[in-house]
Amino acid sequence: GAVVSQHPSWVICKSGTSVKIECRSLDFQATTMFWYRQFPKQSLMLMATSNEGSKATYEQGVEKDKFLINHASLTLSTLTVTSAHPEDSSFYICSASRAGGTDTGELFFGEGSRLTVL
Amino acid sequence: AQSVTQLGSHVSVSEGALVLLRCNYSSSVPPYLFWYVQYPNQGLQLLLKYTSAATLVKGINGFEAEFKKSETSFHLTKPSAHMSDAAEYFCAVSGSSGGSNYKLTFGKGTLLTVNP
Repeated sequence: GAVVSQHPSWVICKSGTSVKIECRSLDFQATTMFWYRQFPKQSLMLMATSNEGSKATYEQGVEKDKFLINHASLTLSTLTVTSAHPEDSSFYICSASRAGGTDTGELFFGEGSRLTVL
Repeated sequence: AQSVTQLGSHVSVSEGALVLLRCNYSSSVPPYLFWYVQYPNQGLQLLLKYTSAATLVKGINGFEAEFKKSETSFHLTKPSAHMSDAAEYFCAVSGSSGGSNYKLTFGKGTLLTVNP
């Protein structure tokens, strides 16, 4: 159990377009989902925390109008990169905490989505 | 505030040799500590976690880690490396400050290469 799936795995888009990435918890309800960005050969940088039915909390330096996060249900969160530019090219990873699970901070990660903006 | 330091961005071992990946943390509250593994173009997979129970934690794929509070360390070891262990390894810490046990702080990662 505790599977998190991201879609798409790979996406290439033109500069100026918007791209939506989905993060789904397949076999559990996720109270909180997290979005990270990972540059090549670097660690994960937390972008924002989203709770179902409320506005996402963004980390310092992350543009909320650029990276729109929606957490419409307990199994789905979406990240939309608006007006994408080449510098937005990166590997985006989501994670989820399980509702009713042991409160030990364990997260379940998606497979990641690689965005390339031309 | 929490932080994680992984000593050595790249560790290279021979197949069958001991694997030792170092992680030191700082935390103002009792920490929860994790080791994750990441294969190329994939998400993170949990190897093991420390949640204030036994200080020696056993994980998947033969890995284990020992929590040493006096040294603020949580080093990852495996007695005998296998070629399939080649990957990026991340140490992470979370804590209960601010009511969230889930806000992980990651180290910069250690790339493990295994030579035949």
